[in-house]
Amino acid sequence: RKEVEQDPGPFNVPEGATVAFNCTYSNSASQSFFWYRQDCRKEPKLLMSVYSSGNEDGRFTAQLNRASQYISLLIRDSKLSDSATYLCVVNVGSARQLTFGSGTQLTVLP
Amino acid sequence: ETGVTQSPTHLIKTRGQQVTLRCSSQSGHNTVSWYQQALGQGPQFIFQYYREEENGRGNFPPRFSGLQFPNYSSELNVNALELDDSALYLCASSQAGGSYNEQFFGPGTRLTVL
Repeated sequence: RKEVEQDPGPFNVPEGATVAFNCTYSNSASQSFFWYRQDCRKEPKLLMSVYSSGNEDGRFTAQLNRASQYISLLIRDSKLSDSATYLCVVNVGSARQLTFGSGTQLTVLP
Repeated sequence: ETGVTQSPTHLIKTRGQQVTLRCSSQSGHNTVSWYQQALGQGPQFIFQYYREEENGRGNFPPRFSGLQFPNYSSELNVNALELDDSALYLCASSQAGGSYNEQFFGPGTRLTVL
């Protein structure tokens, strides 16, 4: 079983749609959680951290359920520029080793 | 831009050869992590360097080795290259000791092994 598992995708949605990505992690000792965005043939970039209380950044909302070991990302009012691969990432303890999911590809269509 | 630079951007090698990849960390960062990203996969942690010492290692064989220099830049060395080593190699810099674990990635080196 992979340590971080994501929806396989790809997701193809029209502009303006709401899309949700889900992710589960296997290590209950995981302490920090993130969503990264990776554009085609580019490096991953931090989209947002994920907190237990849930957090929102504009059109993006992230949720964490520690009991279920589940992380989600909701994108509202999708834009063409949101097209990318979204990577679910966890960090265990103080090692600062980031464990990535395989990513979910999103294409927003005009 | 993150301020993390990597060289070279692209590299083609043949099986059995050795390769050295380089990374300059963001100003003020003392920790460098290396990741391997195969096509269609997420990055996989290779190892991390802090204060010139290896500070954690993923599930990679000993032919993957590294160095960190006093200026916090780093090298990744891969010996006896195999076809499966073809991937994007990413380095990420961060500041150890802070409570925030954000790692800033460089643009990567794309290695092709023929």
